[in-house]
Amino acid sequence: DAGVIQSPRHEVTEMGQEVTLRCKPISGHNSLFWYRQTMMRGLELLIYFNNNVPIDDSGMPEDRFSAKMPNASFSTLKIQPSEPRDSAVYFCASRGAVNTEAFFGQGTRLTVV
Amino acid sequence: GEDVEQSLFLSVREGDSSVINCTYTDSSSTYLYWYKQEPGAGLQLLTYIFSNMDMKQDQRLTVLLNKKDKHLSLRIADTQTGDSAIYFCAERGSNSGYALNFGKGTSLLVTP
Repeated sequence: DAGVIQSPRHEVTEMGQEVTLRCKPISGHNSLFWYRQTMMRGLELLIYFNNNVPIDDSGMPEDRFSAKMPNASFSTLKIQPSEPRDSAVYFCASRGAVNTEAFFGQGTRLTVV
Repeated sequence: GEDVEQSLFLSVREGDSSVINCTYTDSSSTYLYWYKQEPGAGLQLLTYIFSNMDMKQDQRLTVLLNKKDKHLSLRIADTQTGDSAIYFCAERGSNSGYALNFGKGTSLLVTP
């Protein structure tokens, strides 16, 4: 398996534009997590899905952020409109059974100018 | 939410041992993890310990858990320059909904 695949690896966009980050979890994994990493706040859990259903989205910063998981092999994190303070590295991770390791993607580095 | 605290920086000489410390507040934590992040890369699981254990050893890595004090440490023996990275402590418990709750990471610099 190629592991958790995120795209794009880097994204530079202008303030106010819509940004969509994509994630393909490891096949057979039923939990998917979106994290955001910044120098100031470290790694923050934004949202996680279990069997394609959002379980906890309390970490989503505000209504500008939305996440979907239309099927077991794909998830998106959308920011609309984007702001400079959204600049961060966004990680997707997936996990099989509850008592197993979570595998991380390489991350998407987002810069909003 | 529950807190996971780590010191931000550690510098050691090649060949010495490194000890990275972590404290957490969630008493329901069932698993505690150490992840490694190299520059420009995602997080890689190094090791984990179940909350009913107090020590786990895996080659150069030793994890110590003091559940009473909610203190976790990672010891790297014979530290090499390739060990330079950011090390994250994480916990998983019912209070975090079984997602991982991370510390801010400790940057380890290994000098020749």
